[in-house]
Order: sequence, then structure tokens, then C-alpha cells
Amino acid sequence: GAGVSQSPSNKVTEKGKDVELRCDPISGHTALYWYRQRLGQGLEFLIYFQGNSAPDKSGLPSDRFSAERTGESVSTLTIQRTQQEDSAVYLCASSVENLQARDEQFFGPGTRLTVL
Amino acid sequence: ILNVEQSPQSLHVQEGDSTNFTCSFPSSNFYALHWYRWETAKSPEALFVMTLNGDEKKKGRISATLNTKEGYSYLYIKGSQPEDSATYLCAFIPQSGNTPLVFGKGTRLSVIA
Repeated sequence: GAGVSQSPSNKVTEKGKDVELRCDPISGHTALYWYRQRLGQGLEFLIYFQGNSAPDKSGLPSDRFSAERTGESVSTLTIQRTQQEDSAVYLCASSVENLQARDEQFFGPGTRLTVL
Repeated sequence: ILNVEQSPQSLHVQEGDSTNFTCSFPSSNFYALHWYRWETAKSPEALFVMTLNGDEKKKGRISATLNTKEGYSYLYIKGSQPEDSATYLCAFIPQSGNTPLVFGKGTRLSVIA
């Protein structure tokens, strides 16, 4: 079956522009997560969805970041007025239920964002 | 702030060597621990989900142990092969709190043929 997909795979943008990153989770997976990895850093948790709801948005780095999920399926992560420090690989993952069910996560291939 | 430490940061071993590395996490507020393997140009892939103190899990030549009382997990690779070269990540899932999980920075393993 299809795994988690993300688009675009690579995005180069100019500082100040808005970008939208897309994640298509595995069909039927209730939980969806966004992470990023900046150069030389570990995986940083950004936000997760249980269904279409995000219980806690405090992991988002700034108010320039927002995310939504519709139809308990596709999710978009939007970064407004991008800055150079936003350059990172943005990873999406999904799991059958939420983490409290201790389910493993299935990761997408990531979107490499470069802000010039 | 939850602190998840992995050591060593990187490791170079010869093909055939056995190796192990550590994930340290808060011993209180433990719910579960995940191990993932992340190969270059691929997506992280789940290895183990560990929940009980004393858990020992195995997948082929890779195994992991869990000590929740002292807050550590070991990952072992027996007879390392070049295809084991990857970054190995652990993720700590707390019982409560705002953050559903915290990843360590990983151990980068290079197996030299």
C-alpha cells in the first residue's frame, strides 16, 4: 500500500515569501505529525493532529507557522514570511492512532526547504 | 524541558563488529520509547516500540533493551554490515505533558567494509 507522501520534495524560496508544504498520510491513520530537522540538529517536533484537531500548537516555532488538516487526511504546513532559519527538512509522519496508543510512526520522505 | 540524550553522537565500526549505543531519558513520566533507523536519503523507519521496564526486543541482528527505572535504553547491532549504516534515533513518549514525544539527536553509525 501507499506510504506517507509529501510534496514538494524540494523547495527553494526567497526570504519573505510564503510556502506551503503538503503531507498525505497513510489512509486510515488518525494521527499525523510534523517535524523539522535543521542542519546539525535533531528532529524537532512541531505539531500533531488527532483527526482534524491539533491539541497543542506550542511546538510551532513562531506565529509565522500554521498547520491544518482536513478530512482526517491531507495536512498542510504553511510558513509565512520565510526566514533563512526556516531552512530545514520538514518531515511528516502518521500513525494508526495517537501516541498514547504507543503506535509506531510512519514517515514521509520529507520536504527540503531552502530559504535564500 | 524533556531531555533525551543519545551517545555516542557518531560511531565508525568495521564490518563484522558488534556495537551498541545508548538513549537516556527522564525516568519519571515514562510512557513509551521508540527506536528508529534513518538512512541517508530515506525516511526514518521504526525499529522498536518499547513500553515495559525490562523489555527486550529483537529484529534480526538488531536488539534493544529498556530500563525505565534508571532511564536508559540500549540498542545493539550484532555483526554490523555496511547496510546498517544510518542514524539511529530514539524518541521518548511521556506519560503527560504538552509534547507527545521528544527525539534524541541520534547516533550516526558508519560501517566500513
